Amino acid sequence: AQSVTQLDSQVPVFEEAPVELRCNYSSSVSVYLFWYVQYPNQGLQLLLKYLSGSTLVKGINGFEAEFNKSQTSFHLRKPSVHISDTAEYFCAVSDKEGAQKLVFGQGTRLTINP
Amino acid sequence: GAGVSQSPSNKVTEKGKDVELRCDPISGHTALYWYRQSLGQGLEFLIYFQGNSAPDKSGLPSDRFSAERTGGSVSTLTIQRTQQEDSAVYLCASSLVLIGTEYGYTFGSGTRLTVV
Repeated sequence: AQSVTQLDSQVPVFEEAPVELRCNYSSSVSVYLFWYVQYPNQGLQLLLKYLSGSTLVKGINGFEAEFNKSQTSFHLRKPSVHISDTAEYFCAVSDKEGAQKLVFGQGTRLTINP
Repeated sequence: GAGVSQSPSNKVTEKGKDVELRCDPISGHTALYWYRQSLGQGLEFLIYFQGNSAPDKSGLPSDRFSAERTGGSVSTLTIQRTQQEDSAVYLCASSLVLIGTEYGYTFGSGTRLTVV
């Protein structure tokens, strides 16, 4: 069975500062990896995904994530954040074969301070 | 429709009552998923429907929870004899193809259930 650990429940940063949201997963098989974002009072939106190929994945709103198989990590980064990036961010994993469901982490609340 | 539609958006119910939550997936999406998001928690998988296959019910927390999907489209999640710990946001998602997670899910806005 897979699991996802988001190491930080809350991350406060100042506007225009860089940010990294950490995600580690465990799985005995090859996986797909995702980051979803939930803005206040809104539903979840897909931010980016890793399916195969290049380990550096670029998503919407200037976010990117790097798949590191040896460290079983998929950390999310942005070089300069904006107030509008304030949201909850969820990392998720799915087996490439078999089970179709996504397993989510606990979420990281990113708060951008002016 | 253009997106995944869930109703009601908010539901307040008394402890012990039954509730039904509805999900209208995107037309043509063969897979449908229910998740629960409790305060301060991540998303907890509840149940998954794929076409005409038997649903994956492995995430349902108790036998008070059940779900059905009629005609391969609309789904209803039923919680019987609600308890206060059932208070959460219930999210529905749908996806297009068999290996649905390659493409991610499209989520609805959720139903916020409050049991008083």
